[in-house]
Amino acid sequence: ETGVTQSPTHLIKTRGQQVTLRCSSQSGHNTVSWYQQALGQGPQFIFQYYREEENGRGNFPPRFSGLQFPNYSSELNVNALELDDSALYLCASSLGLRGADTQYFGPGTRLTVL
Amino acid sequence: KQEVTQIPAALSVPEGENLVLNCSFTDSAIYNLQWFRQDPGKGLTSLLLIQSSQREQTSGRLNASLDKSSGRSTLYIAASQPGDSATYLCALLNRDDKIIFGKGTRLHILP
Repeated sequence: ETGVTQSPTHLIKTRGQQVTLRCSSQSGHNTVSWYQQALGQGPQFIFQYYREEENGRGNFPPRFSGLQFPNYSSELNVNALELDDSALYLCASSLGLRGADTQYFGPGTRLTVL
Repeated sequence: KQEVTQIPAALSVPEGENLVLNCSFTDSAIYNLQWFRQDPGKGLTSLLLIQSSQREQTSGRLNASLDKSSGRSTLYIAASQPGDSATYLCALLNRDDKIIFGKGTRLHILP
């Protein structure tokens, strides 16, 4: 157990809809990162938040957005869902900035877009 | 652009054998390298983290090495057990603060 939780576990949406995924980090962890993992691939970095500010972003379009809250929870929002957004979405928390510390991953949310 | 490659993509070995998983990368300007384990449909579990100034890290039966000059890291698993069956991923933290994962090696330990 890493102490990082994600909800929901599974989600089915249709193309064009919007979705919000949630993550609860370990207490005291100021950094949260979000990843997209397609089947058979390694996780792809979406973005990272440090103390409620975005602190780095991968090659994902603006319809992927996030929020981090003072209570160590965070959200990933995806607008105008596309079929290729179907994937396992993982969040990871760490103590410091830039992922210099060990990252602790949640179990993920499996999103299916029909 | 940093590229991370893990070879082989899949590996099956009999229980009890020692084995080595490989991770190679194209840009040596990294902050650290981390090895993870992922069970099917689950999240990632951190195994070992090697800072760029370090050469290796050990935890129990696991030993990870880092050679930045050659762009390589290895994960050595001693006395493999069926419970070690999983996908093993390496990830680099680049100097541009982006984390890049390899595609992983699917390991199957045969009882």
